[in-house]
Order: sequence, then structure tokens, then C-alpha cells
Amino acid sequence: EIVMTQSPATLSVSPGERATLSCRASQGVRSNLVWYQQRPGQAPRLLFYRASTRATGIPARFSVSGSGAEFTLTISSLQSEDFAVYYCQHHNNWPWTFGQGTKVEIK
Amino acid sequence: EVQLLESGGDLVQPGGSLRLSCAASGFTFTNYAMSWVRQSPGKGLEWVSVISRSDGTTYYADSVKGRFTISRDNSRDTLHLQMTSLRAEDTAIYYCAKGGLPGDAPGEDWGQGTLVTVSS
Repeated sequence: EIVMTQSPATLSVSPGERATLSCRASQGVRSNLVWYQQRPGQAPRLLFYRASTRATGIPARFSVSGSGAEFTLTISSLQSEDFAVYYCQHHNNWPWTFGQGTKVEIK
Repeated sequence: EVQLLESGGDLVQPGGSLRLSCAASGFTFTNYAMSWVRQSPGKGLEWVSVISRSDGTTYYADSVKGRFTISRDNSRDTLHLQMTSLRAEDTAIYYCAKGGLPGDAPGEDWGQGTLVTVSS
């Protein structure tokens, strides 16, 4: 099983500032990497797939980088609606696994 | 617009059974793989099971293998999850998720979830 590790667990950021979230896989997952956002009380929402393809309706302030086993999600200027938990997930082989999430909170 | 509406969540005793359903609309159901993903209270996400769009191939997390069965009724655009021998650790919100095109996101769209509580 591929273990996905996200860091940090919690990120305290002021509105308008940049947030950088990391995701590491215990082995390479090629481009089979997805990012989700989950706001309180809501279902996860797809942000990026194929490691770097932005999903429909996702603002340009969200960007991703990385390949293989190291990936980064960056939010360039945090808006109020961006305070949420972010998960990475691989689907390179079964079982598909998630990272434990990074909570982006208001500083 | 894609809509996924889960139902069937309930309070059930340990050892009991439950059947979840997910009614899909707004897309051609037979063209996409479908999944169940769960989230325990205050915890992270676990991909429970997936069923292919075409040949019915299924995969299960080790934590539910042999106890849960995923199925799809393509005539009714509905996804099911039959859960047996339920345990306290199965308590979670269960989400239905629609896959994208092959190789894209396995969870392109999500329902709002249905709560399963296993407790005596």
C-alpha cells in the first residue's frame, strides 16, 4: 500500500497570504495524483487531477507542482472560502489512499 | 448538472447489515466508474470500494473486504453498497463518488453523504 504523507498538518495563514502544502508518496505514483478541498460540513471537492490539471471552476490562485512522489499545492492569495482541509490522493494502484489532510486555518 | 444522492444511512447494531444507495443523474451513468468513500467522525478519508463502468470489476479496501459488496444497477442509474457484519469502526459518513474519464480523477463528483452509525 502506498502511504501518502501531507505536511504540515495545520497551516495558519492570514487572508491574502500564500499557502504551500506538501504531499509525499511512499513510492512513485506517476501523474495519478489528485487534490481535494473539503470545507466544514461538505463533501470533498476536486481541485486537480492528473497531478496538474485544474478541475472545472477552480480559481487560478490555486496551482500545483511536482511529479513522481513529491507534490505541492499552492494557494497564492488566500480568500475566506479557501480556509478548509486539503487532501491529496493517489490512484496509481489499488488501494487508492489519501493523505491525512492539511487544515488551512485563519491566522 | 451531475447529482449524486445517497440514502440508506442509519443507526445499526454491531453485527448488523445495511444497504446504501446512490441515485445518479445528470450524466450517462454507464460511462463512468463509481465509488464509495467514507469519513469517520473528525477523521480523514478512506476509499472503500470502486466498481468499473463496463465489466463490473470491483475493488475493496482490506478493512471491508468480505463484508461489503458494491454493485450498480445501470437500468436505474443507481449505485449500491451492501454492508454486513458491521463494526463500530465502520461508523462514518459514506460518500458516493463519480469517476472521471479513465486515468482522470476517481472522485470527480461527490454526493453529500449518508451517515452510518454502528452502536449498541
